[in-house]
Amino acid sequence: GAGVSQSPRYKVAKRGQDVALRCDPISGHVSLFWYQQALGQGPEFLTYFQNEAQLDKSGLPSDRFFAERPEGSVSTLKIQRTQQEDSAVYLCASSLAGTSGGAPYNEQFFGPGTRLTVL
Amino acid sequence: AQSVTQLGSHVSVSEGALVLLRCNYSSSVPPYLFWYVQYPNQGLQLLLKYTTGATLVKGINGFEAEFKKSETSFHLTKPSAHMSDAAEYFCAVSKNFGNEKLTFGTGTRLTIIP
Repeated sequence: GAGVSQSPRYKVAKRGQDVALRCDPISGHVSLFWYQQALGQGPEFLTYFQNEAQLDKSGLPSDRFFAERPEGSVSTLKIQRTQQEDSAVYLCASSLAGTSGGAPYNEQFFGPGTRLTVL
Repeated sequence: AQSVTQLGSHVSVSEGALVLLRCNYSSSVPPYLFWYVQYPNQGLQLLLKYTTGATLVKGINGFEAEFKKSETSFHLTKPSAHMSDAAEYFCAVSKNFGNEKLTFGTGTRLTIIP
C-alpha cells in the first residue's frame, strides 16, 4: 500500500519568502507528526496532530511556523518569512492510533521528507 | 525530559565484521526505545523497537539490540556487516504509553569497508 508522501521533495526559497510543505499520511492513520532534521543532526519534534486537533506544538521554533490538518488527513506545515536557519529536511510521520492512555504502541511511518534550502 | 546519546558520529567496519552502534538514553519513566535507519534521500525506516518484555530484540536485516536498564543502554549490533548496511542510524526514545513523539539521537553514519 501507499506510504507517507510529502511534497515538494525539494524547495528553494529566498530569505523572507513564505513556504508550504505538504504531508499525505497513510490512509486511516489518526496521528501525524512533523519533525525537523538539520544537517548532520537527528530529527527534532515540531508538532503533533490527533485527527484534526493539534495536541502538541511545543517544538515549533517560532511563531513563523504554523501547521494545520483541517480534515484530519492531509497536513500542511507553513513557514512564514523564511530565514537561513530554517534550512533543513522536514519529515512527516503518521501512525494508526492516538495517545489515549493505555493505547498500544503504534509504529510511526515516515515520509521521505522535504529538503528546504533558504538562500 | 528524555534524551539520547549516540557515541560515535561515524563508525567504519569491514565487510563481514561485527557492527556495534552505541546508544545511551535518559528517561524519567520506563522508556520505549527504537533504532531507525536512514538511507540517502529516503525517510526513516524502523529497524527494531523495545517496549516491554524480552530485553533482547531482533529486527530487520539481521540487526538486534539489547535493553540494559542498569546501564541505560540500547546498543545495536549485527554479527556480520554487509555493504548494504551503509547508512545513517538513529536511536530514539519515547514515553512509555500510547503513541508519543520520538526524541532522537544525533545519528551514527556507518561505513562498510570492502
